[in-house]
Amino acid sequence: QKEVEQNSGPLSVPEGAIASLNCTYSDRGSQSFFWYRQYSGKSPELIMFIYSNGDKEDGRFTAQLNKASQYVSLLIRDSQPSDSATYLCAVFRAGGTSYGKLTFGQGTILTVHP
Amino acid sequence: DGGITQSPKYLFRKEGQNVTLSCEQNLNHDAMYWYRQDPGQGLRLIYYSQIVNDFQKGDIAEGYSVSREKKESFPLTVTSAQKNPTAFYLCASSQGRDRAGLQHFGDGTRLSIL
Repeated sequence: QKEVEQNSGPLSVPEGAIASLNCTYSDRGSQSFFWYRQYSGKSPELIMFIYSNGDKEDGRFTAQLNKASQYVSLLIRDSQPSDSATYLCAVFRAGGTSYGKLTFGQGTILTVHP
Repeated sequence: DGGITQSPKYLFRKEGQNVTLSCEQNLNHDAMYWYRQDPGQGLRLIYYSQIVNDFQKGDIAEGYSVSREKKESFPLTVTSAQKNPTAFYLCASSQGRDRAGLQHFGDGTRLSIL
């Protein structure tokens, strides 16, 4: 079982729709959860992070966390063609006195078509 | 502007050759990281460093070496022992152990074999 799993897609949604991206993780000790967006040929950029169960909203983006189900999701409302990218889920577990580990999923390709 | 600078953008390696990828940051971050990304894959950690003169192996350190002689700099050497070096290499930094999930990335270096 992979530590962080995402559906690789591609996920195709029409412009203006809600895009729903999902991620599951295997380490119950994971403490914080991150969504990075990566445009083709570019480096990842952080768009959302969440630490507590429930929802966290930032503009058109909502991150949802359910630690009991080991599930984190990203909703993008009013999707735009400029949202077309690969979305990487990353899960962090602190390491006590040493560096904690940030583990990335393989990413979900999102395509928003006009 | 603060950020992370990686160079070169493209690099070609001949068989049996060692090559060094540069990573410099002016964010005053303590921690720095090197990742490898293969097509359609997430990021895999090669090496990380929390402080100057200290670094630790990540998940795929074999065939790679690093140094951290200055806070701002974390070069990665891809040695001839790395038999499949073709990939996108990303350098990242974070403020420290507690914020290791909030990573800032450079623009990456694409390494290919001649």
